[in-house]
Amino acid sequence: KNQVEQSPQSLIILEGKNCTLQCNYTVSPFSNLRWYKQDTGRGPVSLTIMTFSENTKSNGRYTATLDADTKQSSLHITASQLSDSASYICAVESNAGNMLTFGGGTRLMVKP
Amino acid sequence: DAGITQSPRHKVTETGTPVTLRCHQTENHRYMYWYRQDPGHGLRLIHYSYGVKDTDKGEVSDGYSVSRSKTEDFLLTLESATSSQTSVYFCASWTGNTEAFFGQGTRLTVV
Repeated sequence: KNQVEQSPQSLIILEGKNCTLQCNYTVSPFSNLRWYKQDTGRGPVSLTIMTFSENTKSNGRYTATLDADTKQSSLHITASQLSDSASYICAVESNAGNMLTFGGGTRLMVKP
Repeated sequence: DAGITQSPRHKVTETGTPVTLRCHQTENHRYMYWYRQDPGHGLRLIHYSYGVKDTDKGEVSDGYSVSRSKTEDFLLTLESATSSQTSVYFCASWTGNTEAFFGQGTRLTVV
């Protein structure tokens, strides 16, 4: 069964600090890995999409890494802002039928 | 949020009544999906569609049906709503290996 697991489940950091969120997956056949940001009461919004051959991809203060050998990904947030408070969801797309398997998300709270 | 809308955004209904949620996309995406999101769970796939009149079940399809008569519209129906179907429902569309667009969500409460 395809699975995506994220850690930690929740995280509180102070404004201006950095943080790293983790994602482990067992999805086959692998197509790509995505990170989404979901603000409260809204749908997920794409941050990055990485294919098998990409090790890192950045989107402003967000940098995602992918190790396809160990099936792990991380999302690093630099110089956090209050607006970064949200849930961050990792999802893996399978080549079989264009399916996305989602992790449970990490709820990040940035405090002033 | 671009190009995909859900209606209604909020709904309260009684147990045993039928409910239909609508998803409309203007991206001309072939694939459309319905998910539910509950505390402690990730987004879970209910049903999906590969094209007009071409649909299939996801991992939590019991109690739900879907229809897609036009590329832009994907309807989710709860034939007889139960309290376990209280959830937030998200529709998504994409073409594979591209950015997926999600709707704003529909918060459904079954009392």
